[in-house]
Amino acid sequence: AQSVTQLDSQVPVFEEAPVELRCNYSSSVSVYLFWYVQYPNQGLQLLLKYLSGSTLVKGINGFEAEFNKSQTSFHLRKPSVHISDTAEYFCAVTFPTSGTYKYIFGTGTRLKVLA
Amino acid sequence: DAGVTQSPTHLIKTRGQQVTLRCSPKSGHDTVSWYQQALGQGPQFIFQYYEEEERQRGNFPDRFSGHQFPNYSSELNVNALLLGDSALYLCASSLGVTGNTIYFGEGSWLTVV
Repeated sequence: AQSVTQLDSQVPVFEEAPVELRCNYSSSVSVYLFWYVQYPNQGLQLLLKYLSGSTLVKGINGFEAEFNKSQTSFHLRKPSVHISDTAEYFCAVTFPTSGTYKYIFGTGTRLKVLA
Repeated sequence: DAGVTQSPTHLIKTRGQQVTLRCSPKSGHDTVSWYQQALGQGPQFIFQYYEEEERQRGNFPDRFSGHQFPNYSSELNVNALLLGDSALYLCASSLGVTGNTIYFGEGSWLTVV
């Protein structure tokens, strides 16, 4: 069965420091990978996605992620965070099943940027 | 370009009651999925509608039902509400069932008392 694991429930980091949010997945079939961000009391917003091609994917707000097939990981990184990056981040995978695609989300990582 | 819109934004219901949540997909999208997000948790897939049919379903009881209309909008119905149904209900839309990006609405906050 497919699954997504976000290893860190909370990540505190000082402003202008780099950050990495970890995501590992398990799947017996090829998957597409996504990172979404959720600000307080809002829906989820797409940060970036990996469908195929280059394993280094750049997204909005200076975020990037690298797909590592051998380690089944899709870690999210930002070289210098801002206070405004404080939010919940969700990793998700989608895979084909029964004529459609199913999406599975991780439990989320709360990024807290400290002044 | 209108994004995914959901209504109502907040509502309070009593145990045992029924609730209907509504969703209009992003312009040009024809597929709608519903998710339940409990406090501090990730979104849990409820079901997906495409071509007015339920295409797949997550691990939710039959109390959760839905519908998709010819204009691609959708409703989520929950019967016999339980306290545990209190959550943020998110609607997401996409074009087709190809595994591409899904776009979320702001959600409907349901509190069951």
